[in-house]
Amino acid sequence: AQKVTQAQTEISVVEKEDVTLDCVYETRDTTYYLFWYKQPPSGELVFLIRRNSFDEQNEISGRYSWNFQKSTSSFNFTITASQVVDSAVYFCALSEAGKKYGNKLVFGAGTILRVKS
Amino acid sequence: KAGVTQTPRYLIKTRGQQVTLSCSPISGHRSVSWYQQTPGQGLQFLFEYFSETQRNKGNFPGRFSGRQFSNSRSEMNVSTLELGDSALYLCASSWKGTGMDEQYFGPGTRLTVT
Repeated sequence: AQKVTQAQTEISVVEKEDVTLDCVYETRDTTYYLFWYKQPPSGELVFLIRRNSFDEQNEISGRYSWNFQKSTSSFNFTITASQVVDSAVYFCALSEAGKKYGNKLVFGAGTILRVKS
Repeated sequence: KAGVTQTPRYLIKTRGQQVTLSCSPISGHRSVSWYQQTPGQGLQFLFEYFSETQRNKGNFPGRFSGRQFSNSRSEMNVSTLELGDSALYLCASSWKGTGMDEQYFGPGTRLTVT
């Protein structure tokens, strides 16, 4: 069975600090995809990043970066120089690959990020 | 491009009633997924439709059902409502529905059961 764990329930930082959100996953599949979504107070989930299980290269996109390590089953997400607008709930999610599985995302419990000015 | 729309946005129902929620995906998207979000259980997958066929179903009782129309619009129905069905119901659409897709979520329908 697939499982995603986000151990950090809530994180508070001051604007301009860097913040890392942790995510640990479990799956028996060899091909899978990992995602980070953001849910602002409006409620709509917004896609941030995606990584497939064959690509462990870590990347930076603007103020976002991620660290994917298959050896520890972790997919951590970092926001550099946080801003008040980054305040939201962040979800890590896992999906299997292939059309027969369809689009089923298994979400972690979410981490509430509060950025104070 | 218009985003995913869900109607109604808010709904109040009484225990025992039934409810139908609607989701219009982004134009061209053929996969529609439904999720339930509650404070206790978090975000849980309900079911996914692709080209009018249900391909995957989460662990929910048979009171929860859905369908997809030829224009990819989807509806979900909950019969015999229980207090525990109070939740934010989110719909998401994607193009291919292969699991690697970026899913686009709607604003949700907040259902309150009294």
